[in-house]
Parts: sequence; structure tokens; C-alpha cells
Amino acid sequence: DTGVSQDPRHKITKRGQNVTFRCDPISEHNRLYWYRQTLGQGPEFLTYFQNEAQLEKSRLLSDRFSAERPKGSFSTLEIQRTEQGDSAMYLCASSSTGEVEKLFFGSGTQLSVL
Amino acid sequence: AQSVTQLDSHVSVSEGTPVLLRCNYSSSYSPSLFWYVQHPNKGLQLLLKYTSAATLVKGINGFEAEFKKSETSFHLTKPSAHMSDAAEYFCVVSDRSGNNRKLIWGLGTSLAVNP
Repeated sequence: DTGVSQDPRHKITKRGQNVTFRCDPISEHNRLYWYRQTLGQGPEFLTYFQNEAQLEKSRLLSDRFSAERPKGSFSTLEIQRTEQGDSAMYLCASSSTGEVEKLFFGSGTQLSVL
Repeated sequence: AQSVTQLDSHVSVSEGTPVLLRCNYSSSYSPSLFWYVQHPNKGLQLLLKYTSAATLVKGINGFEAEFKKSETSFHLTKPSAHMSDAAEYFCVVSDRSGNNRKLIWGLGTSLAVNP
């Protein structure tokens, strides 16, 4: 499968724990995006990378959230001291420089904070 | 600032009948507009996009959308609904403010197709 893959598909955690999600983009894509989606809402932009550089972060991304893309390939999104309000679907997408607006999405990681 | 409004949160049609999902946008620039589809337990998929070429855009699975600047609309249509079209549909506008492009998403329209 050469699409965007995310791991894990589901994560259940207790409030206060740290969680980390991984995203593997399409290999030739140099842009990688993280979005969050809650039930009945459209995806909300969190952050994006061009290669290894994190170029933009949303105000939604509090200090407890950090994203990395150390080698310009896969990316991780870590949430520290999780809160119940963090429960959502976390979506990763990638695109090429030549067609930045055509995003290819992974299936997402569903986070449930108890 | 750019914004997008999907006028219906839920649409229900019978199989074989036409589909119309409505979207209005607000933009200070010439926008790029998109429709994405999200099937249950699957990733979002691009259906079609408008980027200032032909105003009638054809997408995958028989869907098409028409850009109407005078009405600031980008409605999604399909002549004949299929059961497999049941999904969530998102209208999206590209934000060209600043140096970075960012997609502005509508809240989505849930399409149900009845047999």
C-alpha cells in the first residue's frame, strides 16, 4: 500500500497520560499535515511540515502538543498530559510541492481519553 | 478571511435519483475550491477541485460541481445516486492569505442513500 498510513488506528488512554501517534506519508510527498476532527465537524488544521521544517502551527495546538518530522519522512504527534477534550480523530495528510492543495489522507487515529 | 458554508447538514435521497449538496463560500481572492468525501472508517478522499480553469468540474464516481462566482457557490451534483455514495462530504476552500496555503473546511453534509 503506497498511501498515507497512521498508527495506531485506535488509542484509549487515561487522563494525564502521554500519547504518541505516527504518520507515514506517501514517500514522494514533502508536505505533511496534521488535522483533528471531532464528531459532526470538519477537520481542523493543527500543523504542517515541508520536509523536516514545521512551517505553521494552529492556535489549537497548545503547549501539550508537539509534532516532529525529523528526517522529512514520517512524523509523530505527541500529546502530553492528555485531557478528555483531546478525544478526537487525528488525521494525517500529505501532498507534493507541485500540487500542495491535493491532500491524501490517512485513515486517522481515534483517541479516546477516559 | 475565507470561509465556506455547507447549507445542509444531512441529505437523504433514493437510489437512482439526483444528488445535490450545496456549498457557498466567501473569499477575498480567486479561490480554489474542493470537495472531499469521507466514507465510514476510511480516509478522506478528494472528489474534485476547481482552480480557475473550467467552471464545471468533473470528479470521480460520476460527481461534478459548478463554480458560480456571481452566486459564490460550488454545489456538488450527481445525476443518479448509488448506495455506495452514502458518506460525509466536505466542501473546502483554499486560504491564500499570507505565504502559506491552508484549507478551510465546511462542517460537512451527511448523504444517506435509501434503497
